[in-house]
Amino acid sequence: RKEVEQDPGPFNVPEGATVAFNCTYSNSASQSFFWYRQDCRKEPKLLMSVYSSGNEDGRFTAQLNRASQYISLLIRDSKLSDSATYLCVVPFSGGYNKLIFGAGTRLAVHP
Amino acid sequence: NAGVTQTPKFQVLKTGQSMTLQCAQDMNHNSMYWYRQDPGMGLRLIYYSASEGTTDKGEVPNGYNVSRLNKREFSLRLESAAPSQTSVYFCASSEAGRVDGYTFGSGTRLTVV
Repeated sequence: RKEVEQDPGPFNVPEGATVAFNCTYSNSASQSFFWYRQDCRKEPKLLMSVYSSGNEDGRFTAQLNRASQYISLLIRDSKLSDSATYLCVVPFSGGYNKLIFGAGTRLAVHP
Repeated sequence: NAGVTQTPKFQVLKTGQSMTLQCAQDMNHNSMYWYRQDPGMGLRLIYYSASEGTTDKGEVPNGYNVSRLNKREFSLRLESAAPSQTSVYFCASSEAGRVDGYTFGSGTRLTVV
């Protein structure tokens, strides 16, 4: 099993839609989780951190299910500018502040 | 406000050539990393440097070497480039002991022909 797995998509949604992505992870000891956003041909940038059961920031909600070892990202009222690839990220099980990146889920929001 | 600066942004190499990718950060971060990103795959860690003077192998170190020149600079060297090393390379930095909020450079697109 890969350490971090994501549905690659693409998710094609109209503006205003609500969309959710899931991510599963293998290291049950992980305490922190992250969602990064990567625009086409750009570097990844931190979108949200998740340390407990979840986190909310405006239209974005991240939820954590430790029992099932998955993290979700919910985007409400999708905007054209939300079109990007969303990377699920988990600290490396081997130690010192290294991150394991999922392959990403691509979102395309259309008018 | 430079953050993490990578050079060059684009490079084409012939098989067997060598080159060094440069990375510099101005945020006084202790830890620096080199990742590669290939289509359909997540970023994979090549090497990292927890602090000045230390370097360690990541997930895919074969064919690469690194140098932590000082606290600001962390370079990645390809001694004999191979087509399998065609990729986008990202350098990142973070505060020591912090996993939240890596800062990435804008990447180097390398093609080996």
